[in-house]
Amino acid sequence: DAGVIQSPRHEVTEMGQEVTLRCKPISGHDYLFWYRQTMMRGLELLIYFNNNVPIDDSGMPEDRFSAKMPNASFSTLKIQPSEPRDSAVYFCASRKRGGTDTQYFGPGTRLTVL
Amino acid sequence: AQSVTQLGSHVSVSEGALVLLRCNYSSSVPPYLFWYVQYPNQGLQLLLKYTSAATLVKGINGFEAEFKKSETSFHLTKPSAHMSDAAEYFCAVSETSYDKVIFGPGTSLSVIP
Repeated sequence: DAGVIQSPRHEVTEMGQEVTLRCKPISGHDYLFWYRQTMMRGLELLIYFNNNVPIDDSGMPEDRFSAKMPNASFSTLKIQPSEPRDSAVYFCASRKRGGTDTQYFGPGTRLTVL
Repeated sequence: AQSVTQLGSHVSVSEGALVLLRCNYSSSVPPYLFWYVQYPNQGLQLLLKYTSAATLVKGINGFEAEFKKSETSFHLTKPSAHMSDAAEYFCAVSETSYDKVIFGPGTSLSVIP
């Protein structure tokens, strides 16, 4: 299996621009998670899906952030408009079943907003 | 509510020395506990997990952790550190009734030659 795939691996953009991060989970996994990692705040859960349905988006920082999962093999995290404080590494993770199962993380997207 | 604390944001050990990374959790029900490792510029990967079977859990790369309910702890150990163990280590907790896994703040491990 190819594991969780994220694209792009690096993104540099200017403040005010729209940014779209992409994730392909492991085939057969029912759960998909989006995390943000920064030095100051550590690893934060932004949103997660179960069977393509958003279950908990309480970690999404502002309305500028939105996430979709149109099908079982694809999810996007969009930031519009982007701000310098959004600079971070964004991870996607997937999991087959419930809370005791292993989460598999993608390699991350390093976002820099100038 | 679940929570995880990791004592020491940074730990340094000499190569060949014992590695001890501390994790304490808070949970209202018997928890499920995990240790994940993150190497530079990579995502997190599972080291080991406790899911109410044996209290001493063995993981990859010679790591192990012991669940101690009375101390609400799940400390990670390795008898002899190797240079390749230098990484960020995250303790995490989950409950059967929840989908979310709560991650601790992480401990950065440095190994001195």
